[in-house]
Amino acid sequence: NAGVTQTPKFHILKTGQSMTLQCAQDMNHGYMSWYRQDPGMGLRLIYYSAAAGTTDKEVPNGYNVSRLNTEDFPLRLVSAAPSQTSVYLCASNMNTGELFFGEGSRLTVL
Amino acid sequence: GEDVEQSLFLSVREGDSSVINCTYTDSSSTYLYWYKQEPGAGLQLLTYIFSNMDMKQDQRLTVLLNKKDKHLSLRIADTQTGDSAIYFCAERGPGGGADGLTFGKGTHLIIQP
Repeated sequence: NAGVTQTPKFHILKTGQSMTLQCAQDMNHGYMSWYRQDPGMGLRLIYYSAAAGTTDKEVPNGYNVSRLNTEDFPLRLVSAAPSQTSVYLCASNMNTGELFFGEGSRLTVL
Repeated sequence: GEDVEQSLFLSVREGDSSVINCTYTDSSSTYLYWYKQEPGAGLQLLTYIFSNMDMKQDQRLTVLLNKKDKHLSLRIADTQTGDSAIYFCAERGPGGGADGLTFGKGTHLIIQP
């Protein structure tokens, strides 16, 4: 029962570096999404995908996403900035509001 | 746009009831949810209520919905130390994916011995 798996759990990188946060789900869910969680700000949706091969709306600046298959939904920080320091949560769901979340990736940008 | 508001903190004594409140603005909400986040973990769905219901009970949890006032509450009876977590209220609009969900900022439930 893996559910949603995120890697890495923790990472530190320097301003300007790039990195990819990995997210995988084994529940055959169509929807996958990325949130960031910051103290006092709650959850903010970064991007979501409704199905493999689809890009549903404009990706926010500083991020890149891909959905080549149903299972994987990596989030790439193109040129990291300190403002991107956060906990990143990946989730998947069917066409309901029951999201299944991973444990999160805590990212620090120095 | 849609907005979901919650208090940031709630402190209760062990054994007492906890009541976490939430207000929302989207009158087209179909479902309303309570998610729980324990330290170092992702969110987990705790319970939900359909917008045409006014109450739902599940063991120690009672959800009350006042659709007229757009007010949702979660009552936890006999609060235990294991209930210490952040509780997020969320409402679902017409969208099917994650963009159809709006989360509140979360309420930290603190349990006093």
